[in-house]
Amino acid sequence: GAVVSQHPSRVICKSGTSVKIECRSLDFQATTMFWYRQFPKQSLMLMATSNEGSKATYEQGVEKDKFLINHASLTLSTLTVTSAHPEDSSFYICSAWPPTGGVNEKLFFGSGTQLSVL
Amino acid sequence: DQQVKQNSPSLSVQEGRISILNCDYTNSMFDYFLWYKKYPAEGPTFLISISSIKDKNEDGRFTVFLNKSAKHLSLHIVPSQPGDSAVYFCAASPEGAQKLVFGQGTRLTINP
Repeated sequence: GAVVSQHPSRVICKSGTSVKIECRSLDFQATTMFWYRQFPKQSLMLMATSNEGSKATYEQGVEKDKFLINHASLTLSTLTVTSAHPEDSSFYICSAWPPTGGVNEKLFFGSGTQLSVL
Repeated sequence: DQQVKQNSPSLSVQEGRISILNCDYTNSMFDYFLWYKKYPAEGPTFLISISSIKDKNEDGRFTVFLNKSAKHLSLHIVPSQPGDSAVYFCAASPEGAQKLVFGQGTRLTINP
């Protein structure tokens, strides 16, 4: 089945540094990918929709200048947390639909990235 | 505003018995519902889904029931196995949309 790979799985960084997270669709092309964030014991919250070749669409309350999204190819989307602060510490997950689907197909998730900002 | 709610943060069930996880939603535009299973530090994995034109969908040990009038869905797992211990999220989507709205999750623990 379709596989979404996310890297790195865990990042520990100092406050003020930037962190890049990669999301790859391994065996299919994804024109759209989604970035979610999950705080401990809370729901997965959609942050933004990454669109290949165009600007990402951010959900309300998500700072686009802080969470930079680049979807330069049909198999790769990146999320860069700029000038990270401790409150950005969270579990970040990307996802993508396989090419045959809309919502009636299974949404595939990456394995997630645990970001810890010291 | 939490459009998808899982009011039970945790549930403990004896191995071999039935596990019932509940989910309520408020947005009447939702017409597709999914359940995901998640282990710590991993991404969610798809379990089962149901369209609003149905009231039941079954896949092996997993059955999802949808009550549109009550805006309620439930996931039944029978018989429950230790490997089922995980956090379960329900999710919903409006017609034609790819974005999912997730509930808060329910941590299921299956006791031997």
